[in-house]
Amino acid sequence: AQTVTQSQPEMSVQEAETVTLSCTYDTSESDYYLFWYKQPPSRQMILVIRQEAYKQQNATENRFSVNFQKAAKSFSLKISDSQLGDAAMYFCAYRRGSSASKIIFGSGTRLSIRP
Amino acid sequence: GAVVSQHPSWVICKSGTSVKIECRSLDFQATTMFWYRQFPKQSLMLMATSNEGSKATYEQGVEKDKFLINHASLTLSTLTVTSAHPEDSSFYICSAGGSGRAFEQFFGPGTRLTVL
Repeated sequence: AQTVTQSQPEMSVQEAETVTLSCTYDTSESDYYLFWYKQPPSRQMILVIRQEAYKQQNATENRFSVNFQKAAKSFSLKISDSQLGDAAMYFCAYRRGSSASKIIFGSGTRLSIRP
Repeated sequence: GAVVSQHPSWVICKSGTSVKIECRSLDFQATTMFWYRQFPKQSLMLMATSNEGSKATYEQGVEKDKFLINHASLTLSTLTVTSAHPEDSSFYICSAGGSGRAFEQFFGPGTRLTVL
């Protein structure tokens, strides 16, 4: 069975600084996607970034980038130039290759931003 | 991205009554819909997966007779909590996926259920 593990329940970062959220996963599949989702106080799930397992290049979306280490089954999220609006719950997630597959979420990391 | 709506956004009901929550994909055909439950300060736990026109697949430990899921069309799925009790109080989130391998799943805004 696939599992996703986030070992940091809470993180805090100074505004404008960089923070890295950790995630490890376990799967025997070769075709899968990894995601980072943001859940602000509104509780609307927002996709931050997506990585396809077949792609070696790390995904980047503006201030958000990932470090995808496939052999180590590690998928960390780096947030550069942290902003107050980045404060939220962040979930690492896994999905098999098919769009009809379920998403498996990690336990989440609550990120706070110090002004 | 595509839009998924949920209705109602918040519902309060008495113990023993049934509550229906709707999940709609507004601008795409959702071949698969997912229902999650989220307790305060916890992660999303998948309850069931539904495909249009077929029976839902429930995750282990989820009572299918209590949480009735119907995916009647490519744009609508409903979750009915039957004979609700206070322990069913939670935040329920749906997501919808379309066809195509890389199609992203889109999440609804969630429904807060409070059972008195």
